[in-house]
Amino acid sequence: DAGVIQSPRHEVTEMGQEVTLRCKPISGHDYLFWYRQTMMRGLELLIYFNNNVPIDDSGMPEDRFSAKMPNASFSTLKIQPSEPRDSAVYFCASSPPSGSTGELFFGEGSRLTVL
Amino acid sequence: GENVEQHPSTLSVQEGDSAVIKCTYSDSASNYFPWYKQELGKRPQLIIDIRSNVGEKKDQRIAVTLNKTAKHFSLHITETQPEDSAVYFCAARKRYGNKLVFGAGTILRVKS
Repeated sequence: DAGVIQSPRHEVTEMGQEVTLRCKPISGHDYLFWYRQTMMRGLELLIYFNNNVPIDDSGMPEDRFSAKMPNASFSTLKIQPSEPRDSAVYFCASSPPSGSTGELFFGEGSRLTVL
Repeated sequence: GENVEQHPSTLSVQEGDSAVIKCTYSDSASNYFPWYKQELGKRPQLIIDIRSNVGEKKDQRIAVTLNKTAKHFSLHITETQPEDSAVYFCAARKRYGNKLVFGAGTILRVKS
């Protein structure tokens, strides 16, 4: 398996623009997580899904952020409109069904810079 | 909700020495405690984990200890090497399907 695949790896955009980050989890994993990493706040959980259903979105900063998982192999995190304070590395991670180790497998991350 | 505190925030050791990173958690119901290593510009990767039914686990130069009564757990790296230099994160979770809460991270520098 190729692991968790994220795109784009790098995104530079201007304030006010819409940003869409994409994630393909490992096949067979039924948990998907979106994390944001900054120097100031560390690794923050934004939202996670189980079997394509959002379970906990309490970490989503505000209404400008939204996430979807239309099927088991694809998820998006959208920021509209983007602001400079959204600049961060966004990680997607997936985890296998319960009964296994529970390890999170992270993607390479999407580095977002909002000017 | 769960809160995980991690200390120290930075740690410098001489090659060959040991390094210890400590974490405390707030929710006594937490029962799974993994440690992740993140090299510069890379993704976090699991290096070792422990569940609440054991007090210690070892894997070569890495060991983790858990004190459920005190609600703290520690990562021990012996005979450190330059390639151990990275950011280390501890985390805690109540049960499978709950969210994993991370500590703030420790920057470990191993000087050769």
